[in-house]
Amino acid sequence: AQSVTQLDSHVSVSEGTPVLLRCNYSSSYSPSLFWYVQHPNKGLQLLLKYTSAATLVKGINGFEAEFKKSETSFHLTKPSAHMSDAAEYFCVVSVIVGTDKLIFGTGTRLQVFP
Amino acid sequence: GAVVSQHPSWVICKSGTSVKIECRSLDFQATTMFWYRQFPKQSLMLMATSNEGSKATYEQGVEKDKFLINHASLTLSTLTVTSAHPEDSSFYICSATTDTQYFGPGTRLTVL
Repeated sequence: AQSVTQLDSHVSVSEGTPVLLRCNYSSSYSPSLFWYVQHPNKGLQLLLKYTSAATLVKGINGFEAEFKKSETSFHLTKPSAHMSDAAEYFCVVSVIVGTDKLIFGTGTRLQVFP
Repeated sequence: GAVVSQHPSWVICKSGTSVKIECRSLDFQATTMFWYRQFPKQSLMLMATSNEGSKATYEQGVEKDKFLINHASLTLSTLTVTSAHPEDSSFYICSATTDTQYFGPGTRLTVL
């Protein structure tokens, strides 16, 4: 069965410092992986997705993630945090190839301090 | 990008009443929509897959008679929580797919 594990429930960084949100996945096949962000009172927004093309995926707002099959990881990074990045981040894996069913990780709350 | 709306954004109802939540894809047609439930400070749990013109497919443990889903058109799916009870209080989120899954802003249901 497919699953994702977000290793940190909370991450705190200072504005201007790098961000690292960790995600490990488990899948019996080559998965599609996503990162979504949820701001308070707003819908989930897709940051980026990996679908077996380039292993380094660039997303919106300066975020990127690297698919590492050997480590079964898909960590989300950003070189310099901005106050507006404070939100809940979800690592997500597709359930079955050819369907749109998704399994969400438990989420990581990112706090950004001035 | 594609926009998905939900209505209402929040609702408070008395125990035993039914509540309908609408999910609309505003600028695209979606043959498939999904309904999720999110408990406070927890992740999203898929409840059901809604396909236009056919019966919804429910995930294990989700009561189909309690959570009625209708997908009457390519831009509208509705979730009706029947005979709501306080334990049904939650944040309900829908999504619609094109090549990517787009999410609505969610509906917060509080059952008194």
